[in-house]
Amino acid sequence: RKEVEQDPGPFNVPEGATVAFNCTYSNSASQSFFWYRQDCRKEPKLLMSVYSSGNEDGRFTAQLNRASQYISLLIRDSKLSDSATYLCVVNPMNTGFQKLVFGTGTRLLVSP
Amino acid sequence: DGGITQSPKYLFRKEGQNVTLSCEQNLNHDAMYWYRQDPGQGLRLIYYSQIVNDFQKGDIAEGYSVSREKKESFPLTVTSAQKNPTAFYLCACSAGGINTEAFFGQGTRLTVV
Repeated sequence: RKEVEQDPGPFNVPEGATVAFNCTYSNSASQSFFWYRQDCRKEPKLLMSVYSSGNEDGRFTAQLNRASQYISLLIRDSKLSDSATYLCVVNPMNTGFQKLVFGTGTRLLVSP
Repeated sequence: DGGITQSPKYLFRKEGQNVTLSCEQNLNHDAMYWYRQDPGQGLRLIYYSQIVNDFQKGDIAEGYSVSREKKESFPLTVTSAQKNPTAFYLCACSAGGINTEAFFGQGTRLTVV
C-alpha cells in the first residue's frame, strides 16, 4: 500500500461548482498534513496546512480524519484559475523532523 | 528577497555522464530535500538533509549522490548509474519542524540525449 494515495482524476467541473478531493495515508503515526497546488510544469506551492480541527481559507476547506486516516480538500465556487494539480502531502515521521511524502496528485479542470 | 534557487532550468546529458544540479537557499532553513517528478507522477524523495554535514537516503536514492557542506547549499549529482535520469528535479527547503512549510525551487528539467 502506498504511503499516500490520491485519485488522479481529472475532475472536470464548471465554474461555480463545489468539488472535493480525498487523500488516504497509511501511517497512523503521521504528524502533519498539507495540500499543495502545482501548476503545469511549475514547482508545488503550499495551499494550506491541515489541522485536526479542520481549517478554512476563503473558498478552501481542509479536514483531517485520523480515525479513517484521510484528509480532504473542499473547493467552493470554483474559478478557472483553480485548474491545477492538488498534491496531498503527509509527514509520516514521529521524530519531530518533517519528511514530506507526496501523493501523485489530483488534477482539477474548471471550465467556463 | 529570500528564496530557493535551482540551476540550470534545463539540462541535457549524454548517456554515461555525471551531472550536478545546483540548489541554493537563503532562507536560513536547516532542512533540504531533493525530489524527482516524472510525467503524470507525484514527487518521489531522493535524498534529504536535516542539518549541515548530514543527509539520508530517500525512497529512490540509487544512482544519485548529494553533499551538504554548507547550510545554504544542497547539490545533487545524477551519476551514470542512474538508468532513467530524464525527469523534473525539484529541490525544497523547510525550517524542519512539524507543520513547517516547504519551499520549492523552480526545478531543473534533465534530459538524456
